Amino acid sequence: GQNIDQPTEMTATEGAIVQINCTYQTSGFNGLFWYQQHAGEAPTFLSYNVLDGLEEKGRFSSFLSRSKGYSYLLLKELQMKDSASYLCAVTREGGSYIPTFGRGTSLIVHP
Amino acid sequence: KAGVTQTPRYLIKTRGQQVTLSCSPISGHRSVSWYQQTPGQGLQFLFEYFSETQRNKGNFPGRFSGRQFSNSRSEMNVSTLELGDSALYLCASKGSSSTDTQYFGPGTRLTVL
Repeated sequence: GQNIDQPTEMTATEGAIVQINCTYQTSGFNGLFWYQQHAGEAPTFLSYNVLDGLEEKGRFSSFLSRSKGYSYLLLKELQMKDSASYLCAVTREGGSYIPTFGRGTSLIVHP
Repeated sequence: KAGVTQTPRYLIKTRGQQVTLSCSPISGHRSVSWYQQTPGQGLQFLFEYFSETQRNKGNFPGRFSGRQFSNSRSEMNVSTLELGDSALYLCASKGSSSTDTQYFGPGTRLTVL
């Protein structure tokens, strides 16, 4: 089975940095995705981590520790448009690698 | 390249009716997955189709079914609708490689009255 945990809601101030954590317990873990979903819209791909370490992509970075079953998404220089739900999803080895999603973290950015 | 498209975008049905939702994947993508998204449960996997065959299935009752056509377009059917089936139904497509990313369509918002 799979168990994915993320905080339900976080708030932050425009211009600040926020870290959204995700922990998972998955047999045969393969990789971890982060998606962003604005209200009423489809999830959009942010990052995919397979190996341990930090991957940076502009204002967004994603970190993975396979041994600890832990990932985080780091958002820098927050903007109002970053207010959205952030979904953590894991894939398992074998099969078709369809991701299983956590319940998402709703991020609210205040001016 | 056009993205994943879903029709209809909004749908209102009554209990006991059935509904069919449609999804057209990104050109060249042969894998199509369906998800149900509700505020309480988040994104839950329904099933995945690849080359017209159901390859993976989530834990949903048999009222939820799907199929995929030779052009990779997919349909999802829900029979005997219940109030609890009200949700956003998302379709996602990806390529054939295990490391390919899933791309989501805009979803169909189903309301059951």
